Amino acid sequence: GAGVSQSPRYKVAKRGQDVALRCDPISGHVSLFWYQQALGQGPEFLTYFQNEAQLDKSGLPSDRFFAERPEGSVSTLKIQRTQQEDSAVYLCASSPGMNYEQYFGPGTRLTVT
Amino acid sequence: LAKTTQPISMDSYEGQEVNITCSHNNIATNDYITWYQQFPSQGPRFIIQGYKTKVTNEVASLFIPADRKSSTLSLPRVSLSDTAVYYCLVGREGGSQGNLIFGKGTKLSVKP
Repeated sequence: GAGVSQSPRYKVAKRGQDVALRCDPISGHVSLFWYQQALGQGPEFLTYFQNEAQLDKSGLPSDRFFAERPEGSVSTLKIQRTQQEDSAVYLCASSPGMNYEQYFGPGTRLTVT
Repeated sequence: LAKTTQPISMDSYEGQEVNITCSHNNIATNDYITWYQQFPSQGPRFIIQGYKTKVTNEVASLFIPADRKSSTLSLPRVSLSDTAVYYCLVGREGGSQGNLIFGKGTKLSVKP
């Protein structure tokens, strides 16, 4: 069956540009997570949705980061006025519920020049 | 969530058994131990989860001693395709309580 998909797979942005990263979770999965993975590091939590409700955004590094999941399915992570330190792989994961295995997408590699 | 410590890297050869040990001295009573695998340019993938003693599936075995302060992921007869980063995570019942907290993981390199 279809897994978690993310688009684009690669994004190059000039410093100061806004970017939008899309995540299509597995159909029917209630929980959706965003993680940021810097080179050579493990993924770090950004934010969590249960259906359309954003229940935890404690990991978002600044107010330039914004995530939404308006219909409880597709989610978008938006980064405004990108900075070089935003360069990383952004991973999306979904699960049937909070205490279930998380299924990760392939990630979007963002490079800010 | 309990902090975990695991080796930064390990080398092995095809056909060998690989054991990766993870320390989690502050594990709580209702914490599970979960291992994820990550290949380059891919997201992490769930491998195995356990609470105590031994768990085995088609991919790996997980050994957890009685004090649960450590765990060992065992990969039997590795192949080149097992080259990946392996993450040990400790969390509440179900192992996927809210967000997952990853460390740096163990980079396993399998050589021919």
